Amino acid sequence: DAKTTQPPSMDCAEGRAANLPCNHSTISGNEYVYWYRQIHSQGPQYIIHGLKNNETNEMASLIITEDRKSSTLILPHATLRDTAVYYCIVRVGTSGSARQLTFGSGTQLTVLP
Amino acid sequence: GAGVSQSPSNKVTEKGKDVELRCDPISGHTALYWYRQSLGQGLEFLIYFQGNSAPDKSGLPSDRFSAERTGGSVSTLTIQRTQQEDSAVYLCASSSEGWATDTQYFGPGTRLTVL
Repeated sequence: DAKTTQPPSMDCAEGRAANLPCNHSTISGNEYVYWYRQIHSQGPQYIIHGLKNNETNEMASLIITEDRKSSTLILPHATLRDTAVYYCIVRVGTSGSARQLTFGSGTQLTVLP
Repeated sequence: GAGVSQSPSNKVTEKGKDVELRCDPISGHTALYWYRQSLGQGLEFLIYFQGNSAPDKSGLPSDRFSAERTGGSVSTLTIQRTQQEDSAVYLCASSSEGWATDTQYFGPGTRLTVL
């Protein structure tokens, strides 16, 4: 799986959009971009994933650049409960064998009141 | 719908005792993973089940660790003769491996403390 680079920490004001960047310059054509987050003392939570088109769900939007070398996770109206470590992962889709997740350092997002 | 559930949420045990941790995956998910996460650390893969195939046990740290998955659904992770270094949060995840992607959904974890 391709390596990703994320800033170690970011702050965001409550109610504002949080934009979390991720660089994945070595991404391959068949690799997806996934985002998970982990709130303190909880299990990781899936947020969103995409291949090359922008994606949106009830939690967030994922913007992937045309060359796919970077992406941005957008939380449109951040709340205090969005304070968590956010992980950007690039991985090939299912291969029929174990596809364990590996988290890097992630970005600690702190939503400020 | 119901997510992945794990029990117990917390387990405190004495060194040398055996423990069993349970995972109920999302209904219909064929793939099930066990991970552990030590304080402030990343995910450590333990074992993977997929349908009726033989499990991938490549991540189990020692022969004191074993897991089974009955009827393709509920899974139990067993740690025999627990050691203090086994203290961690044990996470279970399930996915419905489709053609292109296999999004893993995690349970809340079991926090194991070995005294």
